[in-house]
Amino acid sequence: GQNIDQPTEMTATEGAIVQINCTYQTSGFNGLFWYQQHAGEAPTFLSYNVLDGLEEKGRFSSFLSRSKGYSYLLLKELQMKDSASYLCAVRDRSNTGKLIFGQGTTLQVKP
Amino acid sequence: EAGVTQSPTHLIKTRGQQATLRCSPISGHTSVYWYQQALGLGLQFLLWYDEGEERNRGNFPPRFSGRQFPNYSSELNVNALELEDSALYLCASSRDREDEQYFGPGTRLTVT
Repeated sequence: GQNIDQPTEMTATEGAIVQINCTYQTSGFNGLFWYQQHAGEAPTFLSYNVLDGLEEKGRFSSFLSRSKGYSYLLLKELQMKDSASYLCAVRDRSNTGKLIFGQGTTLQVKP
Repeated sequence: EAGVTQSPTHLIKTRGQQATLRCSPISGHTSVYWYQQALGLGLQFLLWYDEGEERNRGNFPPRFSGRQFPNYSSELNVNALELEDSALYLCASSRDREDEQYFGPGTRLTVT
């Protein structure tokens, strides 16, 4: 079956670093995506990993290990506006258009 | 660059009626995707349109259907509405089928 697991909720302090983990079990793998979704808004694209390793983009980095079926999103220098849900999604095969989403991790940043 | 747009923002229907939701992709994007986000659940893939054709559909009954127009905009139709169809319906677009998907603000459908 297809399964994407993320922690349901996390809390962190403004200015700190937080790591949101995602593990996946899918029939195939053709890329992993991270999205941010503020309450009542559309998901916004953060990062894309298809090869093992770390992709850095400003305060956000995403890591992938295909052999372990594991990814994490690292948020540095947390700001209050980073309070949102973070969605991990896997494309299991090419040419299907389909992304398989996890339930999302709700991150609360406290002052 | 304008993002993905969807209309209406909110839609209230009664059980058994039909709903039509609309989506305009980012200019230059030819692929359009539809997802359902029910309360407490992750996004569930509904449909994928590319170059005017339905390319893939998720595990939803046939009363969920749609189409893509020559200008790449898309319509999602839900027939014989059921209470459990109440959800946020998100449309996304991509430049081509392997690129990242960009989401619109969604249409919140409430079935009473």
